[in-house]
Amino acid sequence: DVKVTQSSRYLVKRTGEKVFLECVQDMDHENMFWYRQDPGLGLRLIYFSYDVKMKEKGDIPEGYSVSREKKERFSLILESASTNQTSMYLCASKTPLGGGSSGELFFGEGSRLTVL
Amino acid sequence: SQELEQSPQSLIVQEGKNLTINCTSSKTLYGLYWYKQKYGEGLIFLMMLQKGGEEKSHEKITAKLDEKKQQSSLHITASQPSHAGIYLCGADGETSGSRLTFGEGTQLTVNP
Repeated sequence: DVKVTQSSRYLVKRTGEKVFLECVQDMDHENMFWYRQDPGLGLRLIYFSYDVKMKEKGDIPEGYSVSREKKERFSLILESASTNQTSMYLCASKTPLGGGSSGELFFGEGSRLTVL
Repeated sequence: SQELEQSPQSLIVQEGKNLTINCTSSKTLYGLYWYKQKYGEGLIFLMMLQKGGEEKSHEKITAKLDEKKQQSSLHITASQPSHAGIYLCGADGETSGSRLTFGEGTQLTVNP
């Protein structure tokens, strides 16, 4: 089974702290994504990556950065956490469309971050 | 960026009734995903559509992608309380480096 593993299910941090959210996938997927989910707003794309060391901004990148040093790992960094970053964070991975790939997007279980 | 609009935002139906959720895009859909999420739980993959006119079914859920590849519908036949949850549509772009964005979701309640 494809597995997307997020390092922490629940985190509580204080305003101004640096926060690392780790995501690891074991299926050699090229594409990886970070979303945040808030009630009534669906999934909003923060950053994505289609290759090692490559990163692209999503729709709401402000206040976040990412790192992809290895293909299997995609990290989300909050340089200075703020209360409006309290949310559920979801990591996902997939292969690109085409080439016989199903393109299915696999999600991790999520990391619920509370910033006090 | 690709804008996805889902309708309705919320839906309450009586058990046994049929229902449809729509997902409309401002751009061509190269890959259209449907996911379901129960409150407090993870996302469950339902279906993915790529070709214009494509239709897929799983149990009592059918999803279609229109010929122009700008609209998808999710139809549930004879709804059950187990169908309740949030339904999300997601859109993939044409190239390998494309972003994958989601609509705001449709909250479905099925009353017994």
